[in-house]
Amino acid sequence: GESVGLHLPTLSVQEGDNSIINCAYSNSASDYFIWYKQESGKGPQFIIDIRSNMDKRQGQRVTVLLNKTVKHLSLQIAATQPGDSAVYFCAENEDSSYKLIFGSGTRLLVRP
Amino acid sequence: DTGVSQNPRHKITKRGQNVTFRCDPISEHNRLYWYRQTLGQGPEFLTYFQNEAQLEKSRLLSDRFSAERPKGSFSTLEIQRTEQGDSAMYLCASSRGGYTEAFFGQGTRLTVV
Repeated sequence: GESVGLHLPTLSVQEGDNSIINCAYSNSASDYFIWYKQESGKGPQFIIDIRSNMDKRQGQRVTVLLNKTVKHLSLQIAATQPGDSAVYFCAENEDSSYKLIFGSGTRLLVRP
Repeated sequence: DTGVSQNPRHKITKRGQNVTFRCDPISEHNRLYWYRQTLGQGPEFLTYFQNEAQLEKSRLLSDRFSAERPKGSFSTLEIQRTEQGDSAMYLCASSRGGYTEAFFGQGTRLTVV
């Protein structure tokens, strides 16, 4: 399959532990944020999103935290599983535009 | 398979040749997006269609790049006079609403030799 990211920062966690992936975004006017998961050979897959009027949103096993003061976004994955191994990207969007601006990605490796 | 379909999956071409990629979105999705992704990087936005109208276009889309969605269904992305720097994965996504409901295809991997 395709290799999504050859030289990405890597987070290695033990199966069952919690994972935290961080992202700094660039545009203070961005008001919508998404986390994507990308497995080798596949397109990005939506995980969770958050609007700028919120600072926390929870999904199934995932939580996104937004700190607009320091332009920081994080993704927390609870009880990390081998199937969570992938590259994770944050993306930002302004209401005035249809484009997403993606961050550089973090590779998550889950050790059995 | 009812997901976003992209063809071909892989394309190898010689520098200077023209290439065309096709994206078939999920049925009834009126929004369609093209992105480009190079190894080790996040996807970069190229263009956006709402039905057949091209409403936003990145500066990355040089004069050599053109995209169409003639009947508001499938879309094509053409690159003329390819250069080695065009080598990348070209991703298509579609949605009925915003990005929350957007699904990406598996992409077309272009290699220019």
